[in-house]
Amino acid sequence: DTGVSQDPRHKITKRGQNVTFRCDPISEHNRLYWYRQTLGQGPEFLTYFQNEAQLEKSRLLSDRFSAERPKGSFSTLEIQRTEQGDSAMYLCASSPGQSGNTIYFGEGSWLTVV
Amino acid sequence: AQSVTQLDSQVPVFEEAPVELRCNYSSSVSVYLFWYVQYPNQGLQLLLKYLSGSTLVESINGFEAEFNKSQTSFHLRKPSVHISDTAEYFCAVIPPGGYNKLIFGAGTRLAVHP
Repeated sequence: DTGVSQDPRHKITKRGQNVTFRCDPISEHNRLYWYRQTLGQGPEFLTYFQNEAQLEKSRLLSDRFSAERPKGSFSTLEIQRTEQGDSAMYLCASSPGQSGNTIYFGEGSWLTVV
Repeated sequence: AQSVTQLDSQVPVFEEAPVELRCNYSSSVSVYLFWYVQYPNQGLQLLLKYLSGSTLVESINGFEAEFNKSQTSFHLRKPSVHISDTAEYFCAVIPPGGYNKLIFGAGTRLAVHP
């Protein structure tokens, strides 16, 4: 399978706990994106990496959220001290370097905070 | 800031009937335009895209969309829908400059009934 891979697919956690999601992009895609999608809404941009550099962060990404892409390959998204409002699907996507190139999405990681 | 408006949150239609899903975007300058489809509990899949050239673009499964610069629209159409087309459809744009970042509309739920 050469698509974008996300793990875990589902996570249920208690409020206040920390969670981490992993994304493995398509090989050789230097651009990687994180989006958040809540029920009945379109995906909202969270952050963007070009190789290992995090070049843009949305205002949606509060101080409790941190994303990394240490070697320019896989990426992690950590949420600290989760709140019920964090419940959503977290989508990872990747694309080659040129603008207009197709952005490929993973299956998403569902987070439920109870 | 760039925005995308999908005028219908839900579109019910009978099998083999034609359908149009409407999408308008806010920018008056050149943008890249996309339609993505999301089946239940899955990530997003690219349906079709407009980058330049012919204003009518087609997908492999019978959908087409027409870029209309004067009306800033990119409506999605299919002359005859199938039950399997039931899904959520998202219109998205990549504004000029930036990092190839997709901005999504809220989505349109297409429900095809027998």
